[in-house]
Amino acid sequence: AQTVTQSQPEMSVQEAETVTLSCTYDTSENNYYLFWYKQPPSRQMILVIRQEAYKQQNATENRFSVNFQKAAKSFSLKISDSQLGDTAMYFCAFSNFGNEKLTFGTGTRLTIIP
Amino acid sequence: ETGVTQSPTHLIKTRGQQVTLRCSSQSGHNTVSWYQQALGQGPQFIFQYYREEENGRGNFPPRFSGLQFPNYSSELNVNALELDDSALYLCASSSGRGGIYGYTFGSGTRLTVV
Repeated sequence: AQTVTQSQPEMSVQEAETVTLSCTYDTSENNYYLFWYKQPPSRQMILVIRQEAYKQQNATENRFSVNFQKAAKSFSLKISDSQLGDTAMYFCAFSNFGNEKLTFGTGTRLTIIP
Repeated sequence: ETGVTQSPTHLIKTRGQQVTLRCSSQSGHNTVSWYQQALGQGPQFIFQYYREEENGRGNFPPRFSGLQFPNYSSELNVNALELDDSALYLCASSSGRGGIYGYTFGSGTRLTVV
């Protein structure tokens, strides 16, 4: 069974600073997909960034980027120039190719301090 | 384009009762998944529907059941409610490739069982 581990329950950082959230996963599959979702107090899960395991290049979306280390099964999220609106729960998630189910970690609560 | 809409937003039920939660998928999406998010946890996959057929199920008992309608809206039914069923129930839709490209989530229904 696939598992996703987020070892940082809570983090805080000053506005405009950079923060990195950690995620590790366990799978025996070779073809899979990784995601970071943001859940603000409104409760809606919002897709932040995704990574295809067969791609070597790390995904980037504006201020958000990932460090994908396939051999180490690590998938960290870097938020640059953090903003107050980045305050939320962040969940790392995994899916196997051909399986539409997402497996989530337990989340990291990120607080951006003004 | 409209997003995913869930109703009701909050609900209080008594142990042993039955509940129906509703979800309207994002326009153009034919796949809907339901997730249970207990307090302080990541979402857990309940099941998925594709074109009105169940297309995958997580580790939930048969008293959790669902329907998808021809317009791709969906219902989640839970019979014989237990206290541990108290959670946020999230609906997510996609155009059939949510495991690859990610899902669009609703804001959830907060169910409290007393």
